[in-house]
Amino acid sequence: GAVVSQHPSWVICKSGTSVKIECRSLDFQATTMFWYRQFPKQSLMLMATSNEGSKATYEQGVEKDKFLINHASLTLSTLTVTSAHPEDSSFYICSARDRLAGGPIQSGTQYFGPGTRLTVL
Amino acid sequence: GDSVTQMEGPVTLSEEAFLTINCTYTATGYPSLFWYVQYPGEGLQLLLKATKADDKGSNKGFEATYRKETTSFHLEKGSVQVSDSAVYFCALSALGSGYSTLTFGKGTMLLVSP
Repeated sequence: GAVVSQHPSWVICKSGTSVKIECRSLDFQATTMFWYRQFPKQSLMLMATSNEGSKATYEQGVEKDKFLINHASLTLSTLTVTSAHPEDSSFYICSARDRLAGGPIQSGTQYFGPGTRLTVL
Repeated sequence: GDSVTQMEGPVTLSEEAFLTINCTYTATGYPSLFWYVQYPGEGLQLLLKATKADDKGSNKGFEATYRKETTSFHLEKGSVQVSDSAVYFCALSALGSGYSTLTFGKGTMLLVSP
């Protein structure tokens, strides 16, 4: 089945530093990847949609200058949390959407990475 | 807008009990419906899906039927195991979003005791 990896799985950093999280689709090409944030015991909140070769589309209320997204290839998207603060501490999950053969770009299923636990001190 | 409503948890069951987790949705058009499972400290795994009315998704003993008339996609399993303890998310992907994004319910925690 489709596998999505994230790296690192957890990271602790000091306030004010930047952290980069990688999301890779290991055995399929993903034109579109998604970044979510999950608070404890809550559902996933979509932060942004990342399309290969173009700018990410951010959801309302998500600061694009704080959460930089780059989707440089069909198998890799990165999320950089810039100047991180304690309130940015969270579980960040990415997903990658495959594409049904012969189907439109929007078709396919989202496969999720294992998540990255970010703790900002 | 689109929305998904799940029963609140936690759902606590003994091993081999029957499981039902209710899920209803509101969406324009004909959404695709999904159940995802999240084990502690991990990301989400697709459990099953259904893309049109009356479809039944099934996997690992779990199943759910897409009921358009009741706008529901309830998750069921005949005999749960301790290893099924996790949080279960119902989700939809709708034409209104170009099928490009998922709308999640709040999740239902399942706790299975030996």
